[in-house]
Order: sequence, then structure tokens, then C-alpha cells
Amino acid sequence: DIQMTQSPPSLSASLGDKVTITCQASQNINKYIAWYQQKPGKAPRLLIRYTSTLESGTPSRFSGSGSGRDYSFSISNVESEDIASYYCLQYDNLPWTFGGGTKLELK
Amino acid sequence: EVQLVESGGGLVQPGRSLKLSCAASGFTFSNYYMAWVRQAPKKGLEWVATISTSGSRTYYPDSVKGRFTISRDNAKSSLYLQMNSLKSEDTATYYCARRPTGSSFDYWGQGVMVTVSS
Repeated sequence: DIQMTQSPPSLSASLGDKVTITCQASQNINKYIAWYQQKPGKAPRLLIRYTSTLESGTPSRFSGSGSGRDYSFSISNVESEDIASYYCLQYDNLPWTFGGGTKLELK
Repeated sequence: EVQLVESGGGLVQPGRSLKLSCAASGFTFSNYYMAWVRQAPKKGLEWVATISTSGSRTYYPDSVKGRFTISRDNAKSSLYLQMNSLKSEDTATYYCARRPTGSSFDYWGQGVMVTVSS
């Protein structure tokens, strides 16, 4: 199984900051990584697929990059509505596996 | 508008069975792979099962293989998860999710809670 090591587990940011979350796969996942946002009591929401493709409705302050085993997800100009948990997902190989999550809080 | 609505959750004793359902609307259900993903309380996300468009192919992680069965009824636009021999570690919110071909889960239901406890 591919392990997805996501860091940091938690992140504290001020409004307007840029934050970056990383996911490292235990093997090459050929850019098949997606990023999800989850607010308390809600279902995850797909923000980015295939490393850097923004889903319809995803604000342009969200971005993704990477290749091989190493991937990152960034939010530029953090807004209050971005306070949530974020998860990466590799969908290159079964079993599909998620990172452990990053909880973004306001400083 | 794509909608996925899960039902069938509840409290069940260890070793017993439970069947979840997911009613889909707003898209051509038979054109999409579908899946179940779960989240234990205060924990991360775990993929549980995927089924092909026709239902002929199913996929599971080792943690549920042999105990859970995913199925679908395209005529009813419905997805199911039969869970047998339930364990306390199966306690979680279970989400139904749509999986476009070659892509990741794009739409999710609101989730249904399953609690396995004596």
C-alpha cells in the first residue's frame, strides 16, 4: 500500500497569510493526487485533482504542485472561510490512501 | 444538482450486520464508478470500497475485504454497502462518493453514522 505522509498535522495562520501543506508518497504516484477541504460536521469537498487542476468553484487562491513522490498544496491570502481540515488523496494505485490531514486554524 | 443521500446507519452490536444505502440524483448514475469512504470519530479518511459502472468489478482494502460488500442498482440510482461481522473499529461516519473515470471522488453525500458497540 502507498503511504501518504502529510505535514504539518496542524497549522496556525493569520488572515492574508500564505500557507503550504505537503504530502509525500511512499512511491511515485504519477501526479494522481487530489486535495480535499473538510469543515466540521461536513463532507469533504474536492478542491484540486491531478496535482494542480482546480475543480469548478475552487477559488484561485488555492493551488497545487508536485511530481513523483512529493506534492504541495497552498492557500495564498488565507480567508476566514478557509479554516478547515485538509486531506490529500493518492488515486494512482489501489488501495487509494489519504494523508493524515492538516487542521488549519486562525492565529 | 448532484445529490447523494445516505441512510441505514445506527447502533449495532459487534459481530452483527448492517446495510447502508445511498440514493443518487442529478446525474446519470450508471455512467459513474461509485465508492464508500469512512471517517472514524475525530480521525482521518479511509477508502472502504469502489464499484464499477455495471457492478461487475468491486474493490476493497484489506481492512474490510471479506466482510463488506458494495453493490448497486442502476435502475434505482442506488448504491449499497452490506457490512457483516462488524467490529468496534468499524465505528465511523460512512460517506457515499462519486468517482468519475480516471479521477478522484468529486461529489460526496452528507454521511451516515455507524456505531458498533455492545
